[in-house]
Amino acid sequence: GNSVTQMEGPVTLSEEAFLTINCTYTATGYPSLFWYVQYPGEGLQLLLKATKADDKGSNKGFEATYRKETTSFHLEKGSVQVSDSAVYFCALSDPKTGNQFYFGTGTSLTVIP
Amino acid sequence: DAGITQSPRHKVTETGTPVTLRCHQTENHRYMYWYRQDPGHGLRLIHYSYGVKDTDKGEVSDGYSVSRSKTEDFLLTLESATSSQTSVYFCAIKTSGALGFHEQYFGPGTRLTVT
Repeated sequence: GNSVTQMEGPVTLSEEAFLTINCTYTATGYPSLFWYVQYPGEGLQLLLKATKADDKGSNKGFEATYRKETTSFHLEKGSVQVSDSAVYFCALSDPKTGNQFYFGTGTSLTVIP
Repeated sequence: DAGITQSPRHKVTETGTPVTLRCHQTENHRYMYWYRQDPGHGLRLIHYSYGVKDTDKGEVSDGYSVSRSKTEDFLLTLESATSSQTSVYFCAIKTSGALGFHEQYFGPGTRLTVT
């Protein structure tokens, strides 16, 4: 079946530190991969995505590369800010139909000044 | 912003009462979804719809029903609310396009407390 596993949180970093949040997936085929961000009291917002192997998604300084050989899609940012404090979700779409999406359990990030 | 609104945004209800949550979209998307979000579980799919009157179950559909009589509205009903249904409920839509290029966009959520 299809599933996503992401690193447990919470993660606490100092401002300007390097961020990595690990995400691996299981899928029957070649899914599209996504990172979503959720700020307190809000819905999930699409942060970035990649649709095929070796694609790199990027947005707002965040990057993730679709690695088929390791079935991974790790989220990185070179220098985090306090405003990046949020919960991050890795997700994939059903590779056969694209109609269902599967989410990881979320990783909470707190950035301290 | 995919033009998704949810109502109510907050609700407190008693065990055994029926509850209906509404999701409204303004962009005529065919696919709509209801998820619940709970600590340690991430997002879990309750039901989804692929057109007017066309719906299907997700992984946690027990105790929930849905209806879609118009493209823009997708209703989630808890027939007899239980404390285990205390959660934050999110509606989402899926954009259309070629396979692999779909995206989901979410509403702001409804926080439901069952006492």
